[in-house]
Amino acid sequence: AQSVTQPDIHITVSEGASLELRCNYSYGATPYLFWYVQSPGQGLQLLLKYFSGDTLVQGIKGFEAEFKRSQSSFNLRKPSVHWSDAAEYFCAVGLTNFGNEKLTFGTGTRLTIIP
Amino acid sequence: EPEVTQTPSHQVTQMGQEVILRCVPISNHLYFYWYRQILGQKVEFLVSFYNNEISEKSEIFDDQFSVERPDGSNFTLKIRSTKLEDSAMYFCACWGGETQYFGPGTRLLVL
Repeated sequence: AQSVTQPDIHITVSEGASLELRCNYSYGATPYLFWYVQSPGQGLQLLLKYFSGDTLVQGIKGFEAEFKRSQSSFNLRKPSVHWSDAAEYFCAVGLTNFGNEKLTFGTGTRLTIIP
Repeated sequence: EPEVTQTPSHQVTQMGQEVILRCVPISNHLYFYWYRQILGQKVEFLVSFYNNEISEKSEIFDDQFSVERPDGSNFTLKIRSTKLEDSAMYFCACWGGETQYFGPGTRLLVL
């Protein structure tokens, strides 16, 4: 079965600093990869997704992620964080892009922004 | 932009009581899901639903759980006899061709 690992439970960065959140997956083939963000008391919002093609994908709010097959990773990056980026970030994997495919989530990384 | 809505946003219930969580998926989406997130833990898949039947369910989704699409717009999750360990945030999601869109969740507290 597929699995997702987010090794960092909590990360603190200064406003304006760069950010990288790590995500590793375990699956025999290339999965469909997603990053979701959950602001306090809110639902899950899709930041970006990777299905195939260009391994660097751009998302909303200035985020990007890079798929590295050799490392089974899909790390999320942002060059300069804003205070509003403080939230919980979840990496997720699906085996297909068909509607009946469930998503498997990582445990999440909580991001704190300090002034 | 179309969105998934869920009601109620919060529900407190006594152990052993039945609860029904409601979701209105994005119209024209055909695949529906329930996930849950116990406080401090990861989001876990419960069940997927298509064409008025369950497509897949996890081991969490036992006989105490059921799902229904009673009309053309609502999608419900029923827990027949709640346990303390059912306390969690429950997310509804629907699939729109490429990705799953999630609702804001219902926070269920079982006392």
